Amino acid sequence: EVQLVESGGGLVQPGGSLRLSCAGSGFTFSSFNTYWMNWVRQSPGKGLEWVANIKQDGTEKNYVDSVSGRFTISRDNAKNSLYLEINSLRAEDTAVYYCASGTYYFDNWGQGTLVTVSS
Amino acid sequence: DIQLTQSPSAVSASAGDRVTISCRASQDISNWLAWYQQKPGKAPKLLISSASNLQFGVPTRFSGSGSGTDFTLTISSLQPEDFATYYCQEASSFPLLTFGGGTKVEMK
Repeated sequence: EVQLVESGGGLVQPGGSLRLSCAGSGFTFSSFNTYWMNWVRQSPGKGLEWVANIKQDGTEKNYVDSVSGRFTISRDNAKNSLYLEINSLRAEDTAVYYCASGTYYFDNWGQGTLVTVSS
Repeated sequence: DIQLTQSPSAVSASAGDRVTISCRASQDISNWLAWYQQKPGKAPKLLISSASNLQFGVPTRFSGSGSGTDFTLTISSLQPEDFATYYCQEASSFPLLTFGGGTKVEMK
């Protein structure tokens, strides 16, 4: 069974930075490096928002407009890990950040890590 | 950019009821649509992909239909464990992806 575990969330001041991590395990039929990986976020009491994705080999990265230029997605296939570097944080970036595997659809999700942007 | 509009935003229903949720796309997305279920404090769960493909292990009371711009998620006989929020998500604009606003299924 595929498991994704996020970490790195916390309280940060506006303008600050954080690095989120997602560790994958249990990839029995296909290895981590065969999956596109994604970050999806959910602001408190709100809906889901796709944030970014990265191709299996890391050569293609895509972002929602609202985070482009501030967030950077990356991966280390040797460590079965996904990352999200988030900079210039704003109050509206406060959310639970989920990592999720899948190309077109998100078939496995982590439990999420909460990022709170507040002074 | 493709917009997804879900309706209703909330529905009150009782166990055993048939529930239908609509998802309308702002342009033709063929069958590039998924449905997710999310319970409070939990990560979403993929129920249906490609508009109508039920994921392994998902009860057959869930079904998806539609193509083009209009899609429907149907729960044929609502069970207590189905009270949750449901989201549609389009993939026709891959690698950019979009969710609908969600529909909360509440107990009447």
